[in-house]
Parts: sequence; C-alpha cells; structure tokens
Amino acid sequence: DTGVSQNPRHKITKRGQNVTFRCDPISEHNRLYWYRQTLGQGPEFLTYFQNEAQLEKSRLLSDRFSAERPKGSFSTLEIQRTEQGDSAMYLCASSFHRVGRTGELFFGEGSRLTVL
Amino acid sequence: DQQVKQNSPSLSVQEGRISILNCDYTNSMFDYFLWYKKYPAEGPTFLISISSIKDKNEDGRFTVFLNKSAKHLSLHIVPSQPGDSAVYFCAAENQGGKLIFGQGTELSVKP
Repeated sequence: DTGVSQNPRHKITKRGQNVTFRCDPISEHNRLYWYRQTLGQGPEFLTYFQNEAQLEKSRLLSDRFSAERPKGSFSTLEIQRTEQGDSAMYLCASSFHRVGRTGELFFGEGSRLTVL
Repeated sequence: DQQVKQNSPSLSVQEGRISILNCDYTNSMFDYFLWYKKYPAEGPTFLISISSIKDKNEDGRFTVFLNKSAKHLSLHIVPSQPGDSAVYFCAAENQGGKLIFGQGTELSVKP
C-alpha cells in the first residue's frame, strides 16, 4: 500500500459539465476526508466518512456536490453543473480514528479541477 | 470565520538559522494541533503534533510550542535547511475529529 491515491490528477472541463473524482485511501484507515484548496489558502473541509457513513458535510458543500463511500473503502466526489468558482485542488485524506483521537491525516496528491 | 490563522504568508531565512512559524487559533475547544508541510504538486504531509496537555513537543530539528492562554502555537526549525523550503500549514482538531487548517506560510531557506 503506497498511500492515498487520487484520480484523475488533473481535470479540465467546461462550465456546466459534471465531474467525478475518486479517492482510494490507505487500506486499514476507517476515516476518509475531502478538502478543497484554492491558491493562497489552506485546505478547507468539505466532508468526511467513518467507514461508509458520511458524518459531516460543510456548508461549503452545495447541492451540486455529492460524496459517497459505498463500501467503506474508496470514495467518489461528484460535482454537477460545474461553475468557474469550483476550480480548485480537491484533496482526499484518510486516517485511523481511535476513540478520542483522530490521528494524523494522510493526504493524497490531489485532483486539480479547472473549469473553463 | 477563520478559526486558525497564520498571519505571515511568507518567511525567508538563511540556511543554518532558526525558522519560526506562527499560528493563532480562536476556539478554546481545540485540543490537538498539527503542522503539515506541502511541496508544490504534492499533498500536505504530516510533520509534528502537540496535545493541549503539553506545551512543547520536539522531533529532531522540529519543535512545536503551544501557549494555550494566548491561543498561539509556533513551529521552530533549527537549523534550517534548503530542503525545508515549502508551505507550512498549522491545523487544529475539533471535537468532531476533523482538522481546521490555517492559510499557510511559505518558507524559503536560502543557501
């Protein structure tokens, strides 16, 4: 297991199109997180899963965004009807959560979205 | 509202000198703090962490200091090396177990 894997690494799309990103976490990790990062900013939390359950969604996640983790392993993040403001780096991270402590997050290399 | 703030977008230091990166937070419920390092075209990687029950944690050249009364933490790198040049993010863990990140500080270590 070489770490968190994200695909595709870069996606260029036209406004109004749908895009989907995939994240494969470290296999023994039970938590999976999606963050978004824009230039000059730190990662902004979008949502996270514990196993297959989506525990929290940020207010940043509009109705056009949906995330799934159907079998508690890989996750997908879909953005419908993309807008230019969706252009960003989408980061996936995983961790092994124990009671009382999240533990460090291990990040993938990110999927960069460019909406024209 | 920015709960974790890094007010210095950039820092430049000479090789061999100390680098000090600062971070302030507003939520007193945060109880665990981490520093991440990010190189271009890569995801952030974990560097060092500290629990709120401690005021210092050291790992090799890296030391993190926590001042709870001031809601302030800092990362010291000594001696700084050119390979340390990267963007550094501080992060705080909230009760729900997610991390809130600061805006980042870009460190440049000049030979």
